[in-house]
Amino acid sequence: EDKVVQSPLSLVVHEGDTVTLNCSYEVTNFRSLLWYKQEKKAPTFLFMLTSSGIEKKSGRLSSILDKKELFSILNITATQTGDSAIYLCAVDTGNQFYFGTGTSLTVIP
Amino acid sequence: AAGVIQSPRHLIKEKRETATLKCYPIPRHDTVYWYQQGPGQDPQFLISFYEKMQSDKGSIPDRFSAQQFSDYHSELNMSSLELGDSALYFCASSLGSVNEQFFGPGTRLTVL
Repeated sequence: EDKVVQSPLSLVVHEGDTVTLNCSYEVTNFRSLLWYKQEKKAPTFLFMLTSSGIEKKSGRLSSILDKKELFSILNITATQTGDSAIYLCAVDTGNQFYFGTGTSLTVIP
Repeated sequence: AAGVIQSPRHLIKEKRETATLKCYPIPRHDTVYWYQQGPGQDPQFLISFYEKMQSDKGSIPDRFSAQQFSDYHSELNMSSLELGDSALYFCASSLGSVNEQFFGPGTRLTVL
């Protein structure tokens, strides 16, 4: 059965901390892995990963994919209160998207 | 565990045709959200329903309409389809409007 699992489910950190969010997957036909940030309504696209070992970076956020071990991590350094959100991981198989349940991140001042 | 179900998975239509997308929320979830994600774009919030009533409206075109039925499933009706309507359409469900949303697998709509 195809599935995407995110961990931890919930995380509370202080401003300035670094966090690592995990996403592991088991799908029969992998096309890409996507990370989203959801604050209120629609998720905001962060990264799309298709190749193993190539880090994608955007400001304080970075992500990498390991297609051998079937997981991805999303790193956020020097966290700010504005990083508080639910972070969603999804895998596109070409046929459908499989979403994880998300990691809820709360950054305390 | 049951997840959000969307149908169809893929849909190919021609311009000016109509399309209906269906979403079946997780059992006991009373809130449904519709999103449209164009190629390389952020998902755009279209509309949401809570307890069979429209609860919020986003960037849904006038050519589109949606409703939530007594069994809480929702349908997105799209008329006079345009090429620009080609996108992924996600449905999400939640228990109440403040709790976490669970996303469905999406429907890929292609308008030719």
